[in-house]
Amino acid sequence: DAKTTQPPSMDCAEGRAANLPCNHSTISGNEYVYWYRQIHSQGPQYIIHGLKNNETNEMASLIITEDRKSSTLILPHATLRDTAVYYCIVRVRYGGATNKLIFGTGTLLAVQP
Amino acid sequence: DAMVIQNPRYQVTQFGKPVTLSCSQTLNHNVMYWYQQKSSQAPKLLFHYYDKDFNNEADTPDNFQSRRPNTSFCFLDIRSPGLGDAAMYLCATSRAPSGRLFHEQFFGPGTRLTVL
Repeated sequence: DAKTTQPPSMDCAEGRAANLPCNHSTISGNEYVYWYRQIHSQGPQYIIHGLKNNETNEMASLIITEDRKSSTLILPHATLRDTAVYYCIVRVRYGGATNKLIFGTGTLLAVQP
Repeated sequence: DAMVIQNPRYQVTQFGKPVTLSCSQTLNHNVMYWYQQKSSQAPKLLFHYYDKDFNNEADTPDNFQSRRPNTSFCFLDIRSPGLGDAAMYLCATSRAPSGRLFHEQFFGPGTRLTVL
């Protein structure tokens, strides 16, 4: 599975968009980009995933560059409850098998009031 | 609500004294995972069960064992805890196979283990 690089920490003002970058320059054609987050003292929580098209759900948007070497997770209106460590994970999307998650170091997003 | 439950949330044990952590789920998922998360580090997969089939990660120490008596329950046994085993232990579940190729993992709140 490809390695990811994320900034260790970021700040964002409450109500503003939070843009979390992730570099995955060694990603291969059959690898997907996944995002999970971990709020303090809780288990990680799935946010979103994508292959090459931009994706949006009720929690966030995922923008993947055309060459797929980097992506950005966007929280459109960050709240204090979005303060968490955000993990960008790249891995093969198995068909019918288990999906092991290999977590990188993640980005600690601190939403400021 | 369907969920992943871990008991206890906090566990204290003594150096070398066996300890068991438990995980239960009401999601009826056939895959269950155990992760170890040390302070300020990312979660690290220890092993997982695909139905009754146990799959150990290559670098998981022999000190860590697991049991899955039925679909709903999975246990993590640490035979002789050392000080370096103090960590948060996370249980997760997913469903495989399914019509969807992506299997989201659902995590429990974790058990924080202290070794004295």
